Amino acid sequence: NAGVMQNPRHLVRRRGQEARLRCSPMKGHSHVYWYRQLPEEGLKFMVYLQKENIIDESGMPKERFSAEFPKEGPSILRIQQVVRGDSAAYFCASSPVGPANYGYTFGSGTRLTVV
Amino acid sequence: QKEVEQDPGPLSVPEGAIVSLNCTYSNSAFQYFMWYRQYSRKGPELLMYTYSSGNKEDGRFTAQVDKSSKYISLFIRDSQPSDSATYLCAMSGMGGATNKLIFGTGTLLAVQP
Repeated sequence: NAGVMQNPRHLVRRRGQEARLRCSPMKGHSHVYWYRQLPEEGLKFMVYLQKENIIDESGMPKERFSAEFPKEGPSILRIQQVVRGDSAAYFCASSPVGPANYGYTFGSGTRLTVV
Repeated sequence: QKEVEQDPGPLSVPEGAIVSLNCTYSNSAFQYFMWYRQYSRKGPELLMYTYSSGNKEDGRFTAQVDKSSKYISLFIRDSQPSDSATYLCAMSGMGGATNKLIFGTGTLLAVQP
């Protein structure tokens, strides 16, 4: 019974490149959440998706960031034209029903480093 | 003022000690309170979940919520070196379609053998 799977675990990008982070939710989970953890800070909500729908993207930066959760395949967090300030750990979480009042199951994260 | 305040520590205790971790919050709409444990370079792991005020116990862990004071606590009894990690409080329940979690910044705990 695999948990929330994120890949890659580590990603290095040069400034101006694109970063694609993938998240496969737990089996049977159709709700996905993305959080970002900057150094010395707690996790910050970015976006909440259901299959083929963005429910809440209030935490997403207005530019360069986008997310999707297609009918088939993993959820993707895409960052265009990365800058040094995008360096962070990005965590995906999933739940079987939403909104998840009882807490989520998180993946191990993707650590993005922009050089 | 942050919505959720948490002492970042670090907190160092000897093995077997009782550990008290705390968070305060400002939004009275929070209804659900959680504690996560995060080991270095890993994802957060849900430890305890509490709805509204009261206590909840699970093995060596006890979570307390005092909504009147907007204060939550996690107690760890008989602490072990394996408890060394960052502990994050999280809250939700503000209504809307998401009930996104609002996290504290985390307290780094080191249990010395």
